[in-house]
Amino acid sequence: EAQVTQNPRYLITVTGKKLTVTCSQNMNHEYMSWYRQDPGLGLRQIYYSMNVEVTDKGDVPEGYKVSRKEKRNFPLILESPSPNQTSLYFCASIVSWGRGYEQYFGPGTRLTVT
Amino acid sequence: AQKVTQAQTEISVVEKEDVTLDCVYETRDTTYYLFWYKQPPSGELVFLIRRNSFDEQNEISGRYSWNFQKSTSSFNFTITASQVVDSAVYFCALRVTGNQFYFGTGTSLTVIP
Repeated sequence: EAQVTQNPRYLITVTGKKLTVTCSQNMNHEYMSWYRQDPGLGLRQIYYSMNVEVTDKGDVPEGYKVSRKEKRNFPLILESPSPNQTSLYFCASIVSWGRGYEQYFGPGTRLTVT
Repeated sequence: AQKVTQAQTEISVVEKEDVTLDCVYETRDTTYYLFWYKQPPSGELVFLIRRNSFDEQNEISGRYSWNFQKSTSSFNFTITASQVVDSAVYFCALRVTGNQFYFGTGTSLTVIP
């Protein structure tokens, strides 16, 4: 079954304690992306990756890091989380072909930073 | 600058009514993609439709239809004969060159039985 998995699904942490949210896809897609969703703001892109070892900043990259060492994984790293990073995070895997384009989302990770 | 505007924050309709969700986008790219996603109360994001900038043909899928007009930079979504299961937050999104995505702020639709 084609899917994008994220772990953990829920996380409560304290300010400054480094954390990593993992994202993995089993579809061999080259493109992957991270978003955060906040009330009234919709989804905002944090980082995206067009291939292994290639990452680019989205609209709201401050306070986040990513890495793409292998095609299937795209972890999101918060080196020093702060309360304003409390949010719902989605990972996505993207496939394109000709004029076609499809984005598959993971189930989301709800992060609370106290 | 790229931008997606969903001016309707919340909409309530009575079951079986038709409802249209508005989406207006801004981009200078000549090649772009537009999307609609549904987020039910369970929280997952469900893909509904994709349209590229070269294809202005409207589309109908069951009770859902989409009207893409480049002249007004709009990509509106209509649900015919709404049902309670249509209650969700709906997002319009724009993808431009380089895989950057821009989402609207969403429209929360409540269908009242």
